[in-house]
Amino acid sequence: DGGITQSPKYLFRKEGQNVTLSCEQNLNHDAMYWYRQDPGQGLRLIYYSQIVNDFQKGDIAEGYSVSREKKESFPLTVTSAQKNPTAFYLCASSVTGVYGYTFGSGTRLTVV
Amino acid sequence: RKEVEQDPGPFNVPEGATVAFNCTYSNSASQSFFWYRQDCRKEPKLLMSVYSSGNEDGRFTAQLNRASQYISLLIRDSKLSDSATYLCVVNSHDSNYQLIWGAGTKLIIKP
Repeated sequence: DGGITQSPKYLFRKEGQNVTLSCEQNLNHDAMYWYRQDPGQGLRLIYYSQIVNDFQKGDIAEGYSVSREKKESFPLTVTSAQKNPTAFYLCASSVTGVYGYTFGSGTRLTVV
Repeated sequence: RKEVEQDPGPFNVPEGATVAFNCTYSNSASQSFFWYRQDCRKEPKLLMSVYSSGNEDGRFTAQLNRASQYISLLIRDSKLSDSATYLCVVNSHDSNYQLIWGAGTKLIIKP
């Protein structure tokens, strides 16, 4: 079945560490997105990519980095520059634009 | 002012009742509107798109009022399984690829 796979489901990061969250899709979608969700808040866009080897910053890109070397993959690195990284991270893809969004099951990142 | 505002709830509703949520958005140029459902600690899933003429899907009815810039969701004959957080979502005027998400309204259906 087609879908989006995020891993790991839970991730613990020590202060000063970089960590990478994986996102893979087999839906043949061109666009991919990374969102962050904090309790009581709406999803906030970190980065998005409309095509391979191209990506754009969202509203809260500081402290994060991404790559899009393959259509299927859009990994997110949470760097040590991100001072408050504890959150629920969601990856999504769409055929084009804002329609037909499909989300992965998310990664919960906690700083220990 | 937030770009998309929702009453956070929770709405505690007995099973079988009708419940309505409203959502307001700030950008009059917005063209695409959605309701998503999110279960506790899960990813959001599309419930329905919202069209200008209003649309219905079973027990769910969505309405759009462009003049007042609000969107509504009506759930009739509520089921225990309807308990979730309902997210109002609007496209960003900056990009065809960006969505602006409300913080959600939590619904609890009680037997």
